[in-house]
Amino acid sequence: EVQLVESGGGLVQPGRSLRLSCAASGFTFDDYAMHWVRQAPGKGLEWVSGISWNSGSIGYADSVKGRFTISRDNAKNSLYLQMNSLRAEDTALYYCAKDMGWEPSDAFDIWGQGTMVTVSS
Amino acid sequence: EIVMTQSPATLSVSPGERATLSCRASQSVSSNLAWYQQKPGQAPRLLIYGASTRATGIPARFSGSGSGTEFTLTISSLQSEDFAVYYCQQYNNWPTRTFGQGTKVEIK
Repeated sequence: EVQLVESGGGLVQPGRSLRLSCAASGFTFDDYAMHWVRQAPGKGLEWVSGISWNSGSIGYADSVKGRFTISRDNAKNSLYLQMNSLRAEDTALYYCAKDMGWEPSDAFDIWGQGTMVTVSS
Repeated sequence: EIVMTQSPATLSVSPGERATLSCRASQSVSSNLAWYQQKPGQAPRLLIYGASTRATGIPARFSGSGSGTEFTLTISSLQSEDFAVYYCQQYNNWPTRTFGQGTKVEIK
């Protein structure tokens, strides 16, 4: 079964850091680009970051550029999001999503169930 | 940055009726447009990619059309399980990926 499972969310104070993980199974992980997408409570979807199959191409939304870092470990079939200098507006459910292409060039055909990040003092 | 604008924000439709959802891009995205369905408490699900290609397992009552800046998602005969929020997304410009704000399809 093709599956993405996120972990690492939780309650964190403003200015602190958090690292999210996404474990992939059921497909050849290193054949595909991957992304993080978030959804604030009651709001729409916001793309956060994406990474190509070999980490050679990486992109970020302006709202997180300079604070968040995406990475992947193909040997562990895992995707990561290091989030630093967290703000209240980063509070959201964070989804891991699989791109249909090996570069970040296509739609997202597989989504995890998400991990919740709450930034509050 | 490409802005994706969906209309209407809410669409009230009776079961069995046709629903037409619109998505407009602030600049051309060619056919690099996807549609997703999201039900409460669930992750989004890919319906359409390449503006008009149904994803695996998606029923034929879902169809997409358009190119450039104007796109449409049509649900030919609404079933009870189709009441949800629908998002369009452009994937033409890297390194950005932009979603529309969503259209909620509710029971009339």
